[in-house]
Amino acid sequence: DVKVTQSSRYLVKRTGEKVFLECVQDMDHENMFWYRQDPGLGLRLIYFSYDVKMKEKGDIPEGYSVSREKKERFSLILESASTNQTSMYLCASSLSGSYQETQYFGPGTRLLVL
Amino acid sequence: SQKIEQNSEALNIQEGKTATLTCNYTNYSPAYLQWYRQDPGRGPVFLLLIRENEKEKRKERLKVTFDTTLKQSLFHITASQPADSATYLCALENTGGFKTIFGAGTRLFVKA
Repeated sequence: DVKVTQSSRYLVKRTGEKVFLECVQDMDHENMFWYRQDPGLGLRLIYFSYDVKMKEKGDIPEGYSVSREKKERFSLILESASTNQTSMYLCASSLSGSYQETQYFGPGTRLLVL
Repeated sequence: SQKIEQNSEALNIQEGKTATLTCNYTNYSPAYLQWYRQDPGRGPVFLLLIRENEKEKRKERLKVTFDTTLKQSLFHITASQPADSATYLCALENTGGFKTIFGAGTRLFVKA
């Protein structure tokens, strides 16, 4: 079974703090994704990566950056956390370069920015 | 503009009945559409994928239809059980890229 793990289930941070969310997948998947999920808005793509050291902006990249130094690990960074970044953050991975692959999601990190 | 829409109102049904969830999209020409299940506080889990040349796909008690003329997919759960209570998301690929677009989901409650 594919396993996608995220570093924290719950996080509470203060406005202006730098926040790191880590995601690790154990199935040698090429593609990795970061989404945020808000009530009524569904999943919105922040960034994705189709290879080590490669990254592409999603629909809402502002205020975020990412890092993929190893194939299995994809980190999301909030440079200076703001209250409007309070959300559920979901990491996902998929097998190959084809975008038709099913995505496997981690359990999510619920982030509260005070 | 491109939109993918699912009924935002929760669907309440009695155990044993068939639940039918709807996914409509505009200004997309997806080659396939996926359905995911999400339990509270958890990440989505893939259920089924249906391609544009497939009218219907089944997996156990689940059935998905895909009508590219109506720009709609229907997701059916037959003989529903309380354990089927969850939020169901539809998703389609954005042509020309790696991006999958997700609907906001429909919450299903199955009462015993």
